[in-house]
Amino acid sequence: GQNIDQPTEMTATEGAIVQINCTYQTSGFNGLFWYQQHAGEAPTFLSYNVLDGLEEKGRFSSFLSRSKGYSYLLLKELQMKDSASYLCAVRNSNYQLIWGAGTKLIIKP
Amino acid sequence: IAGITQAPTSQILAAGRRMTLRCTQDMRHNAMYWYRQDLGLGLRLIHYSNTAGTTGKGEVPDGYSVSRANTDDFPLTLASAVPSQTSVYFCASSESGGTGYNEQFFGPGTRLTVL
Repeated sequence: GQNIDQPTEMTATEGAIVQINCTYQTSGFNGLFWYQQHAGEAPTFLSYNVLDGLEEKGRFSSFLSRSKGYSYLLLKELQMKDSASYLCAVRNSNYQLIWGAGTKLIIKP
Repeated sequence: IAGITQAPTSQILAAGRRMTLRCTQDMRHNAMYWYRQDLGLGLRLIHYSNTAGTTGKGEVPDGYSVSRANTDDFPLTLASAVPSQTSVYFCASSESGGTGYNEQFFGPGTRLTVL
């Protein structure tokens, strides 16, 4: 079967750095996405990786290792508004997105 | 309008009733999707459409049907609602259904409760 694993919940302190991991087993691979979802709202796009390595976008970076079936999302200089769920999704060989259950990130002052 | 709109925002429905969730996008995207989101589970694809006039089944299609008569609209119909269809439903769209960047843009969601 296809599976995306990410931690259920993480807690971090305002101003700190947090790394959210995602491991996947899917039928084929055509890219990995990270989305942010605030409570009661729709998911919004954060990043896309299709090749191995690090993609940096401001305070957010995303890393991919296809051989290990592994990605992480790195959030720097955490702000209270970063409190949200972070969703990892892999596009499989049918070009469909397979989603993890999401990691709820709690930021404390 | 800009982006994707969904209607209704929320609905309480008696089991056995028929219900259509509406989705409209104004970005001229070719591909559209319907997902359901349940607590503790990832988004699950119900149906998708890669272009107007075509539709396909996702991971959890049973009990749902869709149509794509034009580029902008992608309604989802529950023919006879059951309590297990209680969920938050998201419509999404992307420029195409193939490879490449193709991020999906999401509507605000419809919260459906079937009693």
